[in-house]
Amino acid sequence: QQPVQSPQAVILREGEDAVINCSSSKALYSVHWYRQKHGEAPVFLMILLKGGEQKGHEKISASFNEKKQQSSLYLTASQLSYSGTYFCGTENQAGTALIFGKGTTLSVSS
Amino acid sequence: DTAVSQTPKYLVTQMGNDKSIKCEQNLGHDTMYWYKQDSKKFLKIMFSYNNKELIINETVPNRFSPKSPDKAHLNLHINSLELGDSAVYFCASSQDFRGRMNTEAFFGQGTRLTVV
Repeated sequence: QQPVQSPQAVILREGEDAVINCSSSKALYSVHWYRQKHGEAPVFLMILLKGGEQKGHEKISASFNEKKQQSSLYLTASQLSYSGTYFCGTENQAGTALIFGKGTTLSVSS
Repeated sequence: DTAVSQTPKYLVTQMGNDKSIKCEQNLGHDTMYWYKQDSKKFLKIMFSYNNKELIINETVPNRFSPKSPDKAHLNLHINSLELGDSAVYFCASSQDFRGRMNTEAFFGQGTRLTVV
């Protein structure tokens, strides 16, 4: 039950905004967001929990619609350093591991 | 200090060989994971260990076996390597979640395995 991400890829100029979406076919307790730069490990960005709690970086914003089983990651005033692949993750059925979407590749140019 | 470290970083080997990848975390976490990332960047969960007990085992071939000598280490042993095993393997750890994933996971730098 892999979450579905959209779009697959985004190309931006510095200063532009982007939204990455993540949806699931099952009820969600939490949605996790990670960013992976080329040749590096995925790095934690944010967790959104059922009930409204969020944990993560202050400069990253995201939303979690529990009823629609969707989450969106908002990248505003993009910088070159935002480039990378963004993954959303949701719990597997047992709640014991993260299942990641296929990723959204973000390219920011100057 | 590196929070989650894997060795080796690169591994090139022939088909049919047996190899191991080591992973260590110094965060005091109770749960460790192995993920496989293929050429399309799809991150697939393979195993997780909680307090030295295997708690999930996704549909991976039984040629792959995780071994955890203690809660700070989770090694991955692969028998009879095949071409399709070529990928980047990531180790990760997180705090005990008591049945819910509500803490961040820390990933190692990855091991790029190439089977020739």
